[in-house]
Amino acid sequence: EDKVVQSPLSLVVHEGDTVTLNCSYEVTNFRSLLWYKQEKKAPTFLFMLTSSGIEKKSGRLSSILDKKELFSILNITATQTGDSAVYLCAVSANTGNQFYFGTGTSLTVIP
Amino acid sequence: DVKVTQSSRYLVKRTGEKVFLECVQDMDHENMFWYRQDPGLGLRLIYFSYDVKMKEKGDIPEGYSVSREKKERFSLILESASTNQTSMYLCASSLSRGRWTEAFFGQGTRLTVV
Repeated sequence: EDKVVQSPLSLVVHEGDTVTLNCSYEVTNFRSLLWYKQEKKAPTFLFMLTSSGIEKKSGRLSSILDKKELFSILNITATQTGDSAVYLCAVSANTGNQFYFGTGTSLTVIP
Repeated sequence: DVKVTQSSRYLVKRTGEKVFLECVQDMDHENMFWYRQDPGLGLRLIYFSYDVKMKEKGDIPEGYSVSREKKERFSLILESASTNQTSMYLCASSLSRGRWTEAFFGQGTRLTVV
């Protein structure tokens, strides 16, 4: 059965801390891994990763994929209160059109 | 920018009512999805459609049906609403199979069944 597991389930940090969110997957015929940020509304797209070892970066956020070990990490440096959100990991496969989602990591950044 | 629009942000319905949730996308995407999101369970796929009048069951289709009469519109129907269908419902769309693209989400409909 295809599955995506995120850890930790929740995290509370202080502003300025660096956090690492984890996503592991078991999906047949893997195509891509995606990260989303969800505040109290629609998930918004952050990154799509398709190749191992190539870091994607956007400001203080970065992500990397390890296709051999079947996981990805999302790093956020110098966290701000605006980073407080649920971070979702999703995996797509070459067969079918589905996206398999993890349960998300709830991040709270306190001043 | 891709826009996915869900017809309602909040809905309150009574047990046994037939409920329609509407979703429209404006980017000519082939694929459309309906998810429900519950605490601790993440996003679970209810149905998806990869073309007009085509649909496939997701992980939790029981108690739901869908309709896709036009490419831009994908409707989720609760045939007889029950309290265990109280949830956040998210619609999404993406380009056709074989394209490595992300899914774009609507703003969500928070449905309460009383």
